[in-house]
Amino acid sequence: GQNIDQPTEMTATEGAIVQINCTYQTSGFNGLFWYQQHAGEAPTFLSYNVLDGLEEKGRFSSFLSRSKGYSYLLLKELQMKDSASYLCAVRSSFSGGYNKLIFGAGTRLAVHP
Amino acid sequence: GAGVSQSPRYKVAKRGQDVALRCDPISGHVSLFWYQQALGQGPEFLTYFQNEAQLDKSGLPSDRFFAERPEGSVSTLKIQRTQQEDSAVYLCASSPKREADNEQFFGPGTRLTVL
Repeated sequence: GQNIDQPTEMTATEGAIVQINCTYQTSGFNGLFWYQQHAGEAPTFLSYNVLDGLEEKGRFSSFLSRSKGYSYLLLKELQMKDSASYLCAVRSSFSGGYNKLIFGAGTRLAVHP
Repeated sequence: GAGVSQSPRYKVAKRGQDVALRCDPISGHVSLFWYQQALGQGPEFLTYFQNEAQLDKSGLPSDRFFAERPEGSVSTLKIQRTQQEDSAVYLCASSPKREADNEQFFGPGTRLTVL
């Protein structure tokens, strides 16, 4: 079956660094995405990893270890606007020749002054 | 700069009523996905279209749910005889390529409340 785990809630201080972990057990793994979702809004793309290692994109970095079924999203220099849910999503390949995203439940991050 | 749009943004239905939710994907996008997102949860896959062909409907919760994309652009998700457990946000996403290799672009969602 498909299983994706991430913490339900996290809190952090403005200006600090926070790491949001995601572990997964899926078949047909074909990449891992992180999305940000503010309350009442659509998920927006943050990062994508398909190979092991760290991908850096401004204040956001994402890491992947395929052998461990593990990823993390690192947010630096936190700002109040970073308060949102962060969704880990695994892309799985299916025999029909297309990919499907399987989402975790999301981690609600609260940034306080 | 048109992104993915959905209508209505909010829908309140009485139990047993039929509803139709519309998705306008980004022009030219081949792949279109529907997701259901319950409060405090991540999106759950419902169905996938490649142009007008519905290639996967394994996530549709029951035969009360039906989706179509007759001309390969606009899609409609129809829910018949709505139940309270159908209350959720319904998200539509599109992607430019056939195999959804790229990121998926999400619409704002339709929040359905069934009373």
